[in-house]
Amino acid sequence: SYELTQPSSVSVSPGQTARITCSGDILAKKYGRWFQQKPGQAPVVVIYRDSERPSGIPERFSGSSSRTTVTLTISGAQVEDEADYYCFSAADNNRVFGGGTRLTVL
Amino acid sequence: EVQLVESGGGLVQPGGSLRLSCVASGFTFRSYEMNWVRQAPGKGLEWVSYISSSGSLIYYADSVKGRFTISRDNAKSSLYLQMNSLGAEDTAVYYCGAGSGNDYWGQGTLVTVSS
Repeated sequence: SYELTQPSSVSVSPGQTARITCSGDILAKKYGRWFQQKPGQAPVVVIYRDSERPSGIPERFSGSSSRTTVTLTISGAQVEDEADYYCFSAADNNRVFGGGTRLTVL
Repeated sequence: EVQLVESGGGLVQPGGSLRLSCVASGFTFRSYEMNWVRQAPGKGLEWVSYISSSGSLIYYADSVKGRFTISRDNAKSSLYLQMNSLGAEDTAVYYCGAGSGNDYWGQGTLVTVSS
């Protein structure tokens, strides 16, 4: 089965750029997506197909991909972006989430 | 408006069974692949099971294979998860997700396995 590896935490000051990486062999052949989860809420997609942004997601959220790594970038992070972020990918009979990254903006 | 509403969670003793349901509205349910995803208290997201739009393809995480059964009723826009031989490690909020990549999520239903 596949695994996705993320840093457990990232911390930035408001207005700075936050970058969260996600690595795994599955990403060499399949798209990655990113979910944002705030306390007590269900996850929300913020990036799909490595770099596509759903409607309603602020432009400061962007995604990129290189070989076996996808990266979520939040340009000019806001206090309201503080949340847990999970990468996800799917291939064949496997679906896998990364372990999650706690983003702190303060 | 897309809505997914899970139900069926609760307190169950180790070794017991539960059946979760997820009722969908606001989109064409029969056209969507569906997933169950769970989150143990204070932990990350864990994919549990997948079912194709027709129900012909089904996958499970190794952690639940042989104990859980996913199914759907497209006429009722409903997704189900039959959970047997439950253990403490199955305690979690269970979410249903619509789409191969979980484009839409319900609010979840809490399953607690404890004596």
